[in-house]
Amino acid sequence: GEDVEQSLFLSVREGDSSVINCTYTDSSSTYLYWYKQEPGAGLQLLTYIFSNMDMKQDQRLTVLLNKKDKHLSLRIADTQTGDSAIYFCAESINYGGSQGNLIFGKGTKLSVKP
Amino acid sequence: NAGVTQTPKFRVLKTGQSMTLLCAQDMNHEYMYWYRQDPGMGLRLIHYSVGEGTTAKGEVPDGYNVSRLKKQNFLLGLESAAPSQTSVYFCASSLQGVRTEAFFGQGTRLTVV
Repeated sequence: GEDVEQSLFLSVREGDSSVINCTYTDSSSTYLYWYKQEPGAGLQLLTYIFSNMDMKQDQRLTVLLNKKDKHLSLRIADTQTGDSAIYFCAESINYGGSQGNLIFGKGTKLSVKP
Repeated sequence: NAGVTQTPKFRVLKTGQSMTLLCAQDMNHEYMYWYRQDPGMGLRLIHYSVGEGTTAKGEVPDGYNVSRLKKQNFLLGLESAAPSQTSVYFCASSLQGVRTEAFFGQGTRLTVV
């Protein structure tokens, strides 16, 4: 079945770069997403990448996609304390014949130390 | 613009009680979803809807029912609550399935005792 795997925890120092990794299983996924969840809040889309792209950059965020290895990463440059949150990787799949549904990883908790 | 609004935000139920969680979106989105979030489990899809009057089962549908009588509302019902349904429930909506951004509500924390 479909599965999205992430490491559960990452700790970095303020100003360093953070790299959060994710592997997915559905090779037909057309979109891959990174969501951010702050404490007590819902999920907010950070960025997404279309499956025919290798890289996407958006200000401090860089998404790398290795489609052959089904590996997705999110790099946050100059990590700030406000970046402390849980980051979810998600892939879109065709589920029950519908257009698509999101399958989430378990989330990576990023802790940023001052 | 309110986006996606969930009510209630918190609820405590006794085993066997029933309740309905309401999700409302004001973005004219076709697709709506209900997820549950449990520690160490990520988000799991309960049910979803691809348009008014339609519903479909997700990954963990047992013990839940849903209805989408109006395009803007997606209701999640628990007919006979069980402690295993203690969780945080998130509603989401999107314009064209997952080809566009999914917007999430703030969540409903449900405890079944």
